[in-house]
Amino acid sequence: DAGVIQSPRHEVTEMGQEVTLRCKPISGHDYLFWYRQTMMRGLELLIYFNNNVPIDDSGMPEDRFSAKMPNASFSTLKIQPSEPRDSAVYFCASSAPGYGYTFGSGTRLTVV
Amino acid sequence: DQQVKQNSPSLSVQEGRISILNCDYTNSMFDYFLWYKKYPAEGPTFLISISSIKDKNEDGRFTVFLNKSAKHLSLHIVPSQPGDSAVYFCAASARTSRGGADGLTFGKGTHLIIQP
Repeated sequence: DAGVIQSPRHEVTEMGQEVTLRCKPISGHDYLFWYRQTMMRGLELLIYFNNNVPIDDSGMPEDRFSAKMPNASFSTLKIQPSEPRDSAVYFCASSAPGYGYTFGSGTRLTVV
Repeated sequence: DQQVKQNSPSLSVQEGRISILNCDYTNSMFDYFLWYKKYPAEGPTFLISISSIKDKNEDGRFTVFLNKSAKHLSLHIVPSQPGDSAVYFCAASARTSRGGADGLTFGKGTHLIIQP
């Protein structure tokens, strides 16, 4: 099992550009979570899905952020337009009842 | 409004001694608590957990204690080893009415440094 796979590992973009982060959860896990880590706020839950359906997106900071899960093996987190304050490490995690949460290695986003 | 608080941003402990990391929570709906360990450039990895029906869970050198009345939990590492140097996150979860699990609420983390 390759674990939760995130791409890219690093992303540097200019302010105003669209950014798309990708995640492949562990096969068989029916929950998928997007988290953001910053020095000021630590790890924050942005949104999570159950069986590909968004359950709680109350953590999404604003309308510039959107997330989709078109199938059980793929999810995206999109920021459009990006701003310097979006710079952070974005983690994807997946879980199944009784199996705990497994995190990916993260995408370090820098918006200049 | 932090529902999970780790008040010590960093902790330095001598190798071989006990490391005690503390965590407080405010949401009485939380019923499952976890500790994650994070190395630089990696995602958090699960370390140990405890359900609210217990007050202690032990796994090798790691023990988590839960005091529900005080809404406090702690992670004990004994003896501490150099490889334990990492950031430790406390996390909490509450079961949803659907019977599933919502996302974890994390503290800001404590950077543990084990000194030789």
